[in-house]
Amino acid sequence: AQKVTQAQTEISVVEKEDVTLDCVYETRDTTYYLFWYKQPPSGELVFLIRRNSFDEQNEISGRYSWNFQKSTSSFNFTITASQVVDSAVYFCALSEAGSGGYNKLIFGAGTRLAVHP
Amino acid sequence: DTEVTQTPKHLVMGMTNKKSLKCEQHMGHRAMYWYKQKAKKPPELMFVYSYEKLSINESVPSRFSPECPNSSLLNLHLHALQPEDSALYLCASSQEASGVPDTQYFGPGTRLTVL
Repeated sequence: AQKVTQAQTEISVVEKEDVTLDCVYETRDTTYYLFWYKQPPSGELVFLIRRNSFDEQNEISGRYSWNFQKSTSSFNFTITASQVVDSAVYFCALSEAGSGGYNKLIFGAGTRLAVHP
Repeated sequence: DTEVTQTPKHLVMGMTNKKSLKCEQHMGHRAMYWYKQKAKKPPELMFVYSYEKLSINESVPSRFSPECPNSSLLNLHLHALQPEDSALYLCASSQEASGVPDTQYFGPGTRLTVL
């Protein structure tokens, strides 16, 4: 069965600290996709990144970086020099490739990040 | 433009009321989704429409009735809800190529309170 585990329920940091959010997934498929979403207090889920199982290159986008390691089934997310605006709940999600014109996302429980001034 | 809009933003209704939630996207996406999210929980999938046909119903009670009038619009009709149905209802859409899960883009949600 597919599963996504975000073991960190809440993280609290002071502004400018670096912070890493962990994500561990389980799937029996060889082709799958991983996602990170940000949910600020306003409620909207904001898409951050999509990664397929054949692309293990790490990615950097500004202060955000992602470390994908198939050997440990992990897809961790690091925010460098955190800011108050980064305060949100972050969800890691897994989707399987399939047919039918749609996909199902399996979400982790989410990690609530609080960045204090 | 990756915008999904939802109306209303907030809704308070009694258990005997009938109301509808609306979702709209103009990205040409062919799959649309309804999720329910309780406080401090991840979103839970309710329904999926693919090419305007209902593809997934995750055993949702019949007091929730989805409708997809066209490829840009998705409605969720509510009737005889219970207080435990109070939640954030999120709509999402994605452009699907066969066999390739595309990114789901979410709307801002409707905060529903059932009295």
